[in-house]
Amino acid sequence: DAGVIQSPRHEVTEMGQEVTLRCKPISGHNSLFWYRQTMMRGLELLIYFNNNVPIDDSGMPEDRFSAKMPNASFSTLKIQPSEPRDSAVYFCASSSYSGAPYEQYFGPGTRLTVT
Amino acid sequence: KQEVTQIPAALSVPEGENLVLNCSFTDSAIYNLQWFRQDPGKGLTSLLLIQSSQREQTSGRLNASLDKSSGRSTLYIAASQPGDSATYLCAVQTGANNLFFGTGTRLTVIP
Repeated sequence: DAGVIQSPRHEVTEMGQEVTLRCKPISGHNSLFWYRQTMMRGLELLIYFNNNVPIDDSGMPEDRFSAKMPNASFSTLKIQPSEPRDSAVYFCASSSYSGAPYEQYFGPGTRLTVT
Repeated sequence: KQEVTQIPAALSVPEGENLVLNCSFTDSAIYNLQWFRQDPGKGLTSLLLIQSSQREQTSGRLNASLDKSSGRSTLYIAASQPGDSATYLCAVQTGANNLFFGTGTRLTVIP
């Protein structure tokens, strides 16, 4: 299995621009998670989906952030407009909630820099 | 809200030493606990997962224990090697999906 795939691996953009991060979960997994990692706050859950449906988006920092999962094999996290404080590493993870132990598998992350 | 704390924040040991990393959590109603490894600039690699009904898990030189009632977990690394140098993260799951991470312990093993 190829594992969780994220693209791009690195993204540098200017403040105000739209940024779209992409994730392909492990085939057969039905839960998908977006996390953000910063030096100040560590790893935080932004949003997660079960069977392509958003379940909890309470971690999304503000309305500039949005996430979609149009099908079981693809999800996007969009930031519009981007700000320098959005600079972080964004991780996508997937798991299967239909059976224990709900272990989450992480992608390599996208390092976002907003100048 | 679940809070996860890891001590120490950084640790430096000579090669060959056995070492223990600590993790504590505030809400004992957890579903499972995972230990991850993160290399600089890389993603997270799952090392061990302990379900709430278990007391410990072992993989090679790694052994993780869980004391749910006291809200503690330890990761024991035997005969440390320079390749073990990384940041180790503890994470607890308080439902089918909510995963809360500690801030990590940065380990350096000196050859």
